Amino acid sequence: DAGITQSPRYKITETGRQVTLMCHQTWSHSYMFWYRQDLGHGLRLIYYSAAADITDKGEVPDGYVVSRSKTENFPLTLESATRSQTSVYFCASTKTGGASGELFFGEGSRLTVL
Amino acid sequence: GQQLNQSPQSMFIQEGEDVSMNCTSSSIFNTWLWYKQDPGEGPVLLIALYKAGELTSNGRLTAQFGITRKDSFLNISASIPSDVGIYFCAGPDYGGSQGNLIFGKGTKLSVKP
Repeated sequence: DAGITQSPRYKITETGRQVTLMCHQTWSHSYMFWYRQDLGHGLRLIYYSAAADITDKGEVPDGYVVSRSKTENFPLTLESATRSQTSVYFCASTKTGGASGELFFGEGSRLTVL
Repeated sequence: GQQLNQSPQSMFIQEGEDVSMNCTSSSIFNTWLWYKQDPGEGPVLLIALYKAGELTSNGRLTAQFGITRKDSFLNISASIPSDVGIYFCAGPDYGGSQGNLIFGKGTKLSVKP
């Protein structure tokens, strides 16, 4: 099915472990984003990518790594998970940059770090 | 930096009531967007506004782009249980990441049948 999908939907891990959250979109959108959603903070941008092999930091990038070797995939890696990274993570994509407005979001990945 | 202030933070209403929420900013936006997030899902775009003073409807939802370009309003008429969720206002991130949106912290709506 066309769309944007995230995996896993739920993940429990331990402090210090590496975790990778996957994001795949079938629209060939140029722009992809990773947000985290926490109570009281709304949606905060972690990293974004304007095209394959082009990534840049957002508001809260520390502790995260991204890559984008293919247009359709944008994985987010927590190299050494910490409790403060317990959150719900959303991947999003859009066709063009600028002010067109519509981001398409995945269903989210709920991560718990023990 | 740019910030969007949404109010109220939460609302508890009776089914059938009308709902109003708003979003304000200290800086000007040329686009205002309203998203809804159902429980356990990602946000979905409800309404996009591109012109100051614009009033746009989507079913029972009506949104307005404030004339000063520093605010926007969302109204829901005759609320129903499926209106439950978090409503976010958003605008383009002019000072930061291209293509990114700045989001308000959301208004959480609860509807009592």
